[in-house]
Amino acid sequence: DGGITQSPKYLFRKEGQNVTLSCEQNLNHDAMYWYRQDPGQGLRLIYYSQIVNDFQKGDIAEGYSVSREKKESFPLTVTSAQKNPTAFYLCASSIFGGEETQYFGPGTRLLVL
Amino acid sequence: QKEVEQDPGPLSVPEGAIVSLNCTYSNSAFQYFMWYRQYSRKGPELLMYTYSSGNKEDGRFTAQVDKSSKYISLFIRDSQPSDSATYLCAMKAGGYQKVTFGIGTKLQVIP
Repeated sequence: DGGITQSPKYLFRKEGQNVTLSCEQNLNHDAMYWYRQDPGQGLRLIYYSQIVNDFQKGDIAEGYSVSREKKESFPLTVTSAQKNPTAFYLCASSIFGGEETQYFGPGTRLLVL
Repeated sequence: QKEVEQDPGPLSVPEGAIVSLNCTYSNSAFQYFMWYRQYSRKGPELLMYTYSSGNKEDGRFTAQVDKSSKYISLFIRDSQPSDSATYLCAMKAGGYQKVTFGIGTKLQVIP
Protein backbone atom coordinates (compact mmCIF):
# COMPACT_ATOMS: atom_id res chain seq x y z
CA ASP A 1 0.00 0.00 0.00
CA GLY A 2 1.26 3.45 -0.90
CA GLY A 3 1.25 6.05 1.80
CA ILE A 4 3.05 8.20 4.32
CA THR A 5 4.30 6.88 7.63
CA GLN A 6 5.32 8.93 10.63
CA SER A 7 7.05 7.72 13.75
CA PRO A 8 6.82 7.69 16.63
CA LYS A 9 3.12 8.27 17.30
CA TYR A 10 3.98 9.94 20.63
CA LEU A 11 7.26 11.58 21.58
CA PHE A 12 8.37 13.07 24.86
CA ARG A 13 11.04 15.76 25.03
CA LYS A 14 13.04 16.77 28.04
CA GLU A 15 14.25 20.31 28.60
CA GLY A 16 17.24 21.14 26.38
CA GLN A 17 16.90 18.01 24.29
CA ASN A 18 16.77 17.72 20.50
CA VAL A 19 14.31 15.18 19.14
CA THR A 20 13.79 13.89 15.60
CA LEU A 21 10.47 13.00 14.00
CA SER A 22 10.52 10.54 11.13
CA CYS A 23 8.53 10.83 7.88
CA GLU A 24 8.70 8.30 5.05
CA GLN A 25 6.61 8.10 1.86
CA ASN A 26 6.39 5.49 -0.88
CA LEU A 27 4.13 7.52 -3.18
CA ASN A 28 7.06 8.62 -5.37
CA HIS A 29 6.17 12.23 -4.58
CA ASP A 30 8.76 14.92 -5.20
CA ALA A 31 7.61 17.42 -2.59
CA MET A 32 7.37 16.90 1.15
CA TYR A 33 6.19 19.18 3.96
CA TRP A 34 6.13 19.53 7.72
CA TYR A 35 3.25 21.24 9.50
CA ARG A 36 2.51 21.99 13.09
CA GLN A 37 -1.10 21.88 14.32
CA ASP A 38 -2.20 23.65 17.50
CA PRO A 39 -5.77 23.95 18.76
CA GLY A 40 -7.54 26.96 17.23
CA GLN A 41 -4.62 27.82 14.92
CA GLY A 42 -4.93 25.40 12.05
CA LEU A 43 -1.96 24.04 10.17
CA ARG A 44 1.23 26.09 10.02
CA LEU A 45 4.03 25.28 7.60
CA ILE A 46 7.43 24.62 9.19
CA TYR A 47 9.60 23.47 6.25
CA TYR A 48 9.10 22.09 2.79
CA SER A 49 11.24 20.39 0.17
CA GLN A 50 10.55 20.16 -3.55
CA ILE A 51 13.56 18.05 -4.44
CA VAL A 52 16.27 15.97 -2.81
CA ASN A 53 19.01 17.98 -1.07
CA ASP A 54 16.95 21.18 -1.18
CA PHE A 55 14.46 22.62 1.31
CA GLN A 56 12.93 25.97 2.23
CA LYS A 57 11.71 27.54 5.44
CA GLY A 58 8.00 27.87 5.96
CA ASP A 59 6.19 30.33 8.19
CA ILE A 60 7.47 29.04 11.54
CA ALA A 61 10.91 27.49 10.92
CA GLU A 62 12.67 28.89 13.98
CA GLY A 63 13.75 26.12 16.35
CA TYR A 64 13.39 23.39 13.73
CA SER A 65 15.72 21.77 11.20
CA VAL A 66 15.25 19.27 8.37
CA SER A 67 17.20 17.23 5.86
CA ARG A 68 16.24 15.65 2.53
CA GLU A 69 18.91 13.13 1.60
CA LYS A 70 16.49 10.70 -0.01
CA LYS A 71 13.31 11.27 -2.00
CA GLU A 72 11.36 9.03 0.38
CA SER A 73 12.45 10.59 3.65
CA PHE A 74 12.10 14.02 5.27
CA PRO A 75 12.98 13.95 8.99
CA LEU A 76 12.25 16.93 11.24
CA THR A 77 14.41 17.80 14.24
CA VAL A 78 12.86 19.87 17.00
CA THR A 79 15.80 21.61 18.65
CA SER A 80 16.17 22.97 22.15
CA ALA A 81 15.75 26.45 20.64
CA GLN A 82 12.04 25.71 20.08
CA LYS A 83 10.60 26.94 23.36
CA ASN A 84 7.04 25.76 22.85
CA PRO A 85 7.30 22.43 21.05
CA THR A 86 4.15 20.77 22.38
CA ALA A 87 1.94 20.22 19.30
CA PHE A 88 0.70 17.71 16.75
CA TYR A 89 3.21 17.42 13.88
CA LEU A 90 2.03 16.40 10.42
CA CYS A 91 4.10 15.38 7.43
CA ALA A 92 2.66 15.62 3.92
CA SER A 93 3.76 14.97 0.36
CA SER A 94 2.62 15.92 -3.12
CA ILE A 95 3.49 15.65 -6.79
CA PHE A 96 5.43 18.67 -7.91
CA GLY A 97 3.92 20.39 -10.95
CA GLY A 98 0.88 18.16 -11.31
CA GLU A 99 -2.38 17.91 -9.39
CA GLU A 100 -0.94 19.63 -6.40
CA THR A 101 -2.93 18.14 -3.57
CA GLN A 102 -1.11 17.16 -0.43
CA TYR A 103 -1.48 13.81 1.28
CA PHE A 104 -0.85 13.56 5.00
CA GLY A 105 0.69 11.05 7.35
CA PRO A 106 -0.94 10.01 10.66
CA GLY A 107 0.97 12.58 12.74
CA THR A 108 3.27 12.62 15.76
CA ARG A 109 2.21 14.15 19.05
CA LEU A 110 5.13 15.81 20.84
CA LEU A 111 4.88 16.46 24.54
CA VAL A 112 7.34 18.16 26.88
CA LEU A 113 8.28 16.46 30.16
CA GLN B 1 -7.58 39.66 8.29
CA LYS B 2 -6.65 36.02 7.70
CA GLU B 3 -6.28 34.83 4.12
CA VAL B 4 -8.77 32.03 4.80
CA GLU B 5 -11.65 32.31 7.25
CA GLN B 6 -13.48 29.25 8.56
CA ASP B 7 -15.94 29.03 11.44
CA PRO B 8 -14.49 26.58 13.99
CA GLY B 9 -17.94 25.48 15.21
CA PRO B 10 -18.74 23.10 16.75
CA LEU B 11 -21.64 22.29 14.45
CA SER B 12 -24.10 19.68 15.72
CA VAL B 13 -26.68 18.14 13.40
CA PRO B 14 -29.04 15.15 13.59
CA GLU B 15 -28.27 12.04 11.57
CA GLY B 16 -29.61 12.32 8.02
CA ALA B 17 -29.35 16.12 7.87
CA ILE B 18 -27.70 18.03 5.04
CA VAL B 19 -24.55 19.72 6.31
CA SER B 20 -23.11 22.89 4.82
CA LEU B 21 -19.50 23.82 5.62
CA ASN B 22 -17.99 27.03 4.30
CA CYS B 23 -14.83 29.06 3.92
CA THR B 24 -14.16 32.55 2.63
CA TYR B 25 -10.86 33.81 1.35
CA SER B 26 -9.23 37.08 0.37
CA ASN B 27 -6.50 36.05 -2.10
CA SER B 28 -7.91 36.23 -5.64
CA ALA B 29 -4.91 34.24 -6.92
CA PHE B 30 -6.17 31.00 -5.32
CA GLN B 31 -7.07 28.47 -8.01
CA TYR B 32 -6.94 25.08 -6.31
CA PHE B 33 -9.42 24.28 -3.55
CA MET B 34 -9.43 21.25 -1.28
CA TRP B 35 -11.46 19.84 1.59
CA TYR B 36 -9.88 17.54 4.15
CA ARG B 37 -11.52 15.47 6.86
CA GLN B 38 -9.60 14.98 10.10
CA TYR B 39 -10.65 12.57 12.81
CA SER B 40 -9.44 13.25 16.32
CA ARG B 41 -5.68 12.62 16.72
CA LYS B 42 -5.32 11.51 13.08
CA GLY B 43 -3.83 13.05 9.96
CA PRO B 44 -6.12 14.96 7.53
CA GLU B 45 -7.62 12.87 4.71
CA LEU B 46 -8.27 14.47 1.32
CA LEU B 47 -12.00 14.48 0.53
CA MET B 48 -12.46 16.76 -2.44
CA TYR B 49 -10.28 18.67 -4.87
CA THR B 50 -11.55 21.36 -7.24
CA TYR B 51 -9.73 23.51 -9.73
CA SER B 52 -11.16 26.99 -10.31
CA SER B 53 -14.91 27.61 -10.05
CA GLY B 54 -17.77 25.15 -10.25
CA ASN B 55 -19.19 22.11 -8.53
CA LYS B 56 -17.82 18.65 -7.95
CA GLU B 57 -19.76 15.70 -6.57
CA ASP B 58 -18.47 12.48 -5.04
CA GLY B 59 -21.07 10.26 -3.42
CA ARG B 60 -22.68 12.15 -0.54
CA PHE B 61 -20.19 15.03 -0.83
CA THR B 62 -20.46 18.10 -3.07
CA ALA B 63 -17.85 20.83 -3.25
CA GLN B 64 -18.71 24.26 -4.64
CA VAL B 65 -16.37 27.09 -5.52
CA ASP B 66 -17.57 30.63 -6.24
CA LYS B 67 -14.48 32.63 -7.14
CA SER B 68 -16.46 35.82 -7.76
CA SER B 69 -17.55 35.80 -4.11
CA LYS B 70 -14.33 34.16 -2.83
CA TYR B 71 -16.45 31.52 -1.13
CA ILE B 72 -16.21 27.74 -1.07
CA SER B 73 -18.61 25.18 0.37
CA LEU B 74 -18.75 21.51 1.17
CA PHE B 75 -22.17 19.86 1.38
CA ILE B 76 -22.71 16.49 3.03
CA ARG B 77 -26.00 14.76 2.26
CA ASP B 78 -27.59 12.13 4.51
CA SER B 79 -25.03 12.82 7.23
CA GLN B 80 -23.89 9.87 9.33
CA PRO B 81 -22.34 9.65 12.81
CA SER B 82 -19.14 8.51 11.07
CA ASP B 83 -18.98 11.97 9.44
CA SER B 84 -18.25 13.44 12.87
CA ALA B 85 -14.82 15.00 12.42
CA THR B 86 -13.08 18.31 11.78
CA TYR B 87 -13.29 19.55 8.19
CA LEU B 88 -10.44 21.69 6.89
CA CYS B 89 -10.66 23.82 3.79
CA ALA B 90 -7.41 24.45 1.93
CA MET B 91 -6.45 26.46 -1.11
CA LYS B 92 -3.47 27.54 -3.16
CA ALA B 93 -2.48 29.65 -6.10
CA GLY B 94 -0.84 28.11 -9.15
CA GLY B 95 2.88 27.95 -9.76
CA TYR B 96 4.15 27.27 -6.22
CA GLN B 97 3.50 24.85 -3.46
CA LYS B 98 2.28 26.72 -0.40
CA VAL B 99 -1.19 25.67 0.67
CA THR B 100 -3.20 27.87 3.02
CA PHE B 101 -5.50 26.04 5.42
CA GLY B 102 -8.56 27.14 7.33
CA ILE B 103 -8.60 26.36 11.06
CA GLY B 104 -11.23 23.66 10.55
CA THR B 105 -14.90 23.25 11.48
CA LYS B 106 -15.72 20.58 14.04
CA LEU B 107 -18.83 18.63 13.01
CA GLN B 108 -20.82 16.32 15.24
CA VAL B 109 -23.60 14.17 13.77
CA ILE B 110 -25.99 13.02 16.49
CA PRO B 111 -27.57 9.53 16.01
